[in-house]
Amino acid sequence: ETGVTQTPRHLVMGMTNKKSLKCEQHLGHNAMYWYKQSAKKPLELMFVYSLEERVENNSVPSRFSPECPNSSHLFLHLHTLQPEDSALYLCASSQDAWAGGGAFFGQGTRLTVV
Amino acid sequence: GESVGLHLPTLSVQEGDNSIINCAYSNSASDYFIWYKQESGKGPQFIIDIRSNMDKRQGQRVTVLLNKTVKHLSLQIAATQPGDSAVYFCAEKEGGSQGNLIFGKGTKLSVKP
Repeated sequence: ETGVTQTPRHLVMGMTNKKSLKCEQHLGHNAMYWYKQSAKKPLELMFVYSLEERVENNSVPSRFSPECPNSSHLFLHLHTLQPEDSALYLCASSQDAWAGGGAFFGQGTRLTVV
Repeated sequence: GESVGLHLPTLSVQEGDNSIINCAYSNSASDYFIWYKQESGKGPQFIIDIRSNMDKRQGQRVTVLLNKTVKHLSLQIAATQPGDSAVYFCAEKEGGSQGNLIFGKGTKLSVKP
């Protein structure tokens, strides 16, 4: 395992639901990321946190709301999602966001919006 | 973690042969590159990286080659094994950017026993 743990592994939610994805890393890294992997596109960066501050938001709709309470934990809060948001959501961490050290990924949360 | 629906280039090799997976990148300002392996149902796994001040880097059974002139990256796997079957992604990072890795579509490697 990579030291990055995501829960839940699978999630089915209705369009009116609110849910949260959780990510935890035990690597002592300072940067954490959310990526989306869908069936029709390559991996897409959603958010970057460095030292608990958001440093990048790649034009992600507001129905996705990240939260980084400390350097080891990252959440993605979901509300009023659309079926096209169904995808694999991957969390990753790296030593820092600038040097480009290899990002280590979790197993992902397979999200299905019905 | 599979990219079902995304038309992936596929490379089929015999067990024991060497594999070469290629990747073209477009941003001449990219200064850091990574190869990832993704098995079905798992997240991408870091394999090897290379910075733009190098043109070759070797790991255990893997070698990454970088040709900045033609913006081309390759991953060579020696003595390919069935466990190497997966989708392989290259990723690039623009110099000075904060962690914004841009991923390619991926290549599916199938190893025949």
